[in-house]
Amino acid sequence: DAGVTQSPTHLIKTRGQQVTLRCSPKSGHDTVSWYQQALGQGPQFIFQYYEEEERQRGNFPDRFSGHQFPNYSSELNVNALLLGDSALYLCASTSGSYNSPLHFGNGTRLTVT
Amino acid sequence: AQSVTQPDIHITVSEGASLELRCNYSYGATPYLFWYVQSPGQGLQLLLKYFSGDTLVQGIKGFEAEFKRSQSSFNLRKPSVHWSDAAEYFCAVGAKGSGNTGKLIFGQGTTLQVKP
Repeated sequence: DAGVTQSPTHLIKTRGQQVTLRCSPKSGHDTVSWYQQALGQGPQFIFQYYEEEERQRGNFPDRFSGHQFPNYSSELNVNALLLGDSALYLCASTSGSYNSPLHFGNGTRLTVT
Repeated sequence: AQSVTQPDIHITVSEGASLELRCNYSYGATPYLFWYVQSPGQGLQLLLKYFSGDTLVQGIKGFEAEFKRSQSSFNLRKPSVHWSDAAEYFCAVGAKGSGNTGKLIFGQGTTLQVKP
């Protein structure tokens, strides 16, 4: 049973560029959340997708956007990259059942130079 | 404001010794509480969760945590630490139905080092 998978594992971008990160949820899960984890910090909630719509959003600018596909996989897009966007981006999925815990992927390490 | 505080940034214990990692939270409603562990280069693995009921919860890998409402705490414990427990530990709080919203608030984390 595959868990949450994310691609790519590492990425280096230049300031001002755009990036797309991808996530496939755990089998049986239909809800995907994205988190940003800066070095030495705890993860911070970006947003969650369910039924191909953004359901809830954290305190992140509009440069951060996402998408969910009919097969429940998801993308995180970040435009106009800043040096401060360098972080580990974690995808988490859940079944959407009441109080179902989150299952996390191994993340994508984004470095902005 | 909702927040989670893990007072100890770094803890070192000897293998076989007992462990307690502290977590304090500030939350307006009844919180749902979690402990996750993160090994280097890995994602987060759920150790245990508290939703309701018995305030002492058992998790994987021999960990347990106790919810103390009066102290706004949810400390993680293990009676005997193994070298493989060395990792980063995160306490998190969420709203009722947080599985549906996916929005958890995480602490800054505690790095556990295990001495042989």
